[in-house]
Amino acid sequence: DTEVTQTPKHLVMGMTNKKSLKCEQHMGHRAMYWYKQKAKKPPELMFVYSYEKLSINESVPSRFSPECPNSSLLNLHLHALQPEDSALYLCASSQDQGYGEKLFFGSGTQLSVL
Amino acid sequence: EDQVTQSPEALRLQEGESSSLNCSYTVSGLRGLFWYRQDPGKGPEFLFTLYSAGEEKEKERLKATLTKKESFLHITAPKPEDSATYLCAVPLNNNAGNMLTFGGGTRLMVKP
Repeated sequence: DTEVTQTPKHLVMGMTNKKSLKCEQHMGHRAMYWYKQKAKKPPELMFVYSYEKLSINESVPSRFSPECPNSSLLNLHLHALQPEDSALYLCASSQDQGYGEKLFFGSGTQLSVL
Repeated sequence: EDQVTQSPEALRLQEGESSSLNCSYTVSGLRGLFWYRQDPGKGPEFLFTLYSAGEEKEKERLKATLTKKESFLHITAPKPEDSATYLCAVPLNNNAGNMLTFGGGTRLMVKP
């Protein structure tokens, strides 16, 4: 199994809603990532978890809250988002957080904030 | 500052018309250059990793090459199914580990 599974595939939420994005992998990878991608732009790193601990937070606003319940799961909790947060949210995993490790990406969650 | 720049931004080819995509980087102590393919509404799909100048890797109609300043993705006799955005990425030169920074991508359209 070389898949990273993300749910839901599409999400529409209001600015006062609370929602969560989920990501799962069963490749035994110990590093997991959240990226944000706006239309026609490259992915931008948000968070990195290594061995279930948050190792990198790229100055992301607190309305985005990551969680890594175990080595296979990664969540992104969303609260009080703004319309400019609408984007494709990508989850990725790699064997570990070492340099040169290739990332496996999920298909993403297309988020629209109204 | 570490930077990755891709050109052209968009490329239209006729089926069978070979061409090359460019990825220029300014990273001291390169620790790998990655090529990904991304289809609309999907996550990037890994293609190649190159580590040292002179290295080449091939997969079907694609060949990636690396020099000290840039990488090329050569597409030989492309087919319509090769249409996608091609992204290159390098790890930032810091002590935080595997933080990939992506170039802006090249949107390739191959017409039959």
